[in-house]
Amino acid sequence: GAVVSQHPSWVICKSGTSVKIECRSLDFQATTMFWYRQFPKQSLMLMATSNEGSKATYEQGVEKDKFLINHASLTLSTLTVTSAHPEDSSFYICSARDRITSTDTQYFGPGTRLTVL
Amino acid sequence: GENVEQHPSTLSVQEGDSAVIKCTYSDSASNYFPWYKQELGKGPQLIIDIRSNVGEKKDQRIAVTLNKTAKHFSLHITETQPEDSAVYFCAANKGGNQFYFGTGTSLTVIP
Repeated sequence: GAVVSQHPSWVICKSGTSVKIECRSLDFQATTMFWYRQFPKQSLMLMATSNEGSKATYEQGVEKDKFLINHASLTLSTLTVTSAHPEDSSFYICSARDRITSTDTQYFGPGTRLTVL
Repeated sequence: GENVEQHPSTLSVQEGDSAVIKCTYSDSASNYFPWYKQELGKGPQLIIDIRSNVGEKKDQRIAVTLNKTAKHFSLHITETQPEDSAVYFCAANKGGNQFYFGTGTSLTVIP
């Protein structure tokens, strides 16, 4: 149980284009999902917290107009990197918390490797 | 805010030996401490967690200990195997959405 999927697992795009990453909780409902960014050999950096049916809460320094987050259902959150630039290249990971059990545990997706040319 | 420190940053052990990774935290309000294993190119996977009302928790070869007074918690892996090689992250949480992660420990188990 507690499986989180991400799609795509990797994506290469041209500078200036937009990329959408999907995060799904497969066997549980998640009122809260999180989006992280991870640079090589570094820890996880929280970008934003998304709550189903409401606006995401962004961490300081994260541009909300550049990283659009939508959490339209209890099992799906999307992150859209708009007008991507090479410096946006990174490993993006989502996580989710189980609504029913309401535990503190976060379950992570497998990550999406974004490369912007 | 909370500050989580993790040591060592790299650790090499011979297969069959034990590995210990330590984390300290600063906020006494933190009450949930998960450990994650991240293999190359993959997302972190929860391997064990502990809450502040417990001092130790074990799951087969993996154990976590918590010292609330000293504000530190440790991950213990016994009888290490090559497949234990990965990056391990500790984290602290005080009930809200924010998880504070350590900087990670790259564990290499030498066959």
